[in-house]
Amino acid sequence: DAGVIQSPRHEVTEMGQEVTLRCKPISGHDYLFWYRQTMMRGLELLIYFNNNVPIDDSGMPEDRFSAKMPNASFSTLKIQPSEPRDSAVYFCASSLFWASQPYNEQFFGPGTRLTVL
Amino acid sequence: AQSVAQPEDQVNVAEGNPLTVKCTYSVSGNPYLFWYVQYPNRGLQFLLKYITGDNLVKGSYGFEAEFNKSQTSFHLKKPSALVSDSALYFCAVRVITGAGSYQLTFGKGTKLSVIP
Repeated sequence: DAGVIQSPRHEVTEMGQEVTLRCKPISGHDYLFWYRQTMMRGLELLIYFNNNVPIDDSGMPEDRFSAKMPNASFSTLKIQPSEPRDSAVYFCASSLFWASQPYNEQFFGPGTRLTVL
Repeated sequence: AQSVAQPEDQVNVAEGNPLTVKCTYSVSGNPYLFWYVQYPNRGLQFLLKYITGDNLVKGSYGFEAEFNKSQTSFHLKKPSALVSDSALYFCAVRVITGAGSYQLTFGKGTKLSVIP
């Protein structure tokens, strides 16, 4: 398996523009997580999905952020409009959760480094 | 609330010396604990996990972790540090939510620098 795939790897945009980050989880995994990492705040969980359904979006900072998972192999995180304080590395991770073995580790993608000017 | 704490922002160790990166946890019920490593400009990589059984867990790249229930700790260790071990290390605990779903709660991370 190719692992978790994220695109783009780097994104530079201007304040006010719409930004869309993409993630392809590992095939067969039923959980998908979006994280944001900054020097100041560390690693923050933004939202996660189980079987394509959003479970907890309490980590989404503002209404400017939205995430979708239209099918088991694709998810997007959208920021509209973007602001300089959104500059961070955004990670997607996936995992397989079995009721009989509820301790499966998460597999992370390489991340998207977002810079908002 | 279930959480982990990494009390050291940075750990410096000489190459060839043993290393320890500390983690303490606070959970209700049995803890499921994880260690991840992040190399520069990379995503987090799984190192090892503790579920039940032996208190000493062995993982990737020669790392191991010692689970201590009485001290609520899960310290990461390696007998002989390599310069290539220099990275950011995260401890995490599995959290089961009220809805029956799960997530991992991560510590702040500890930067390990191995000095040649």
